[in-house]
Amino acid sequence: DAGVIQSPRHEVTEMGQEVTLRCKPISGHDYLFWYRQTMMRGLELLIYFNNNVPIDDSGMPEDRFSAKMPNASFSTLKIQPSEPRDSAVYFCASSRGTVGNTIYFGEGSWLTVV
Amino acid sequence: AQSVTQLDSQVPVFEEAPVELRCNYSSSVSVYLFWYVQYPNQGLQLLLKYLSGSTLVKGINGFEAEFNKSQTSFHLRKPSVHISDTAEYFCAVSNPQGAQKLVFGQGTRLTINP
Repeated sequence: DAGVIQSPRHEVTEMGQEVTLRCKPISGHDYLFWYRQTMMRGLELLIYFNNNVPIDDSGMPEDRFSAKMPNASFSTLKIQPSEPRDSAVYFCASSRGTVGNTIYFGEGSWLTVV
Repeated sequence: AQSVTQLDSQVPVFEEAPVELRCNYSSSVSVYLFWYVQYPNQGLQLLLKYLSGSTLVKGINGFEAEFNKSQTSFHLRKPSVHISDTAEYFCAVSNPQGAQKLVFGQGTRLTINP
């Protein structure tokens, strides 16, 4: 079975540019999560969706960040404009239903903003 | 609110030696507990989880963890480590009556020396 698929795997962009990260969750999973990993702050939950609806976006750092899930098989995380402090690894993850079910992570998108 | 503290940021051990990675959590409600492993340049993979029942949980790759409610701990152990266990290990907690999301600790980098 295919896991959570993220693209791009690596991106280097200039400050001020728009960045779009993409995610395809595991088929049949109804929860989708976006996490950010940095050395300073560790793994932070940015936002999560249930059945394509954003449930909790309290972790989104500021208005420059936005996330969408137009259908059950696709989500995007957009940063506009990007800043050097946005440099991090962004993970998408998905799971099925109930609390306690395993959350499966993608391999991450490594973003560097110069 | 729930939180997780991983007491050691780095743990170096020799190959074939035993290892314990420590995790303490804080929660006003009951919890589900998880250990994830992140190999270099990869996403997170579930090692094991405690939902209920036996407090000793066995996971993949020979790892096990013990839930101790009185000490609010969920330490991860392996009796004999291999070079291939070199990775970062994350303890995480979720609320059984809450949302399907994980709160992670800061991670422990396990380095195996030959």
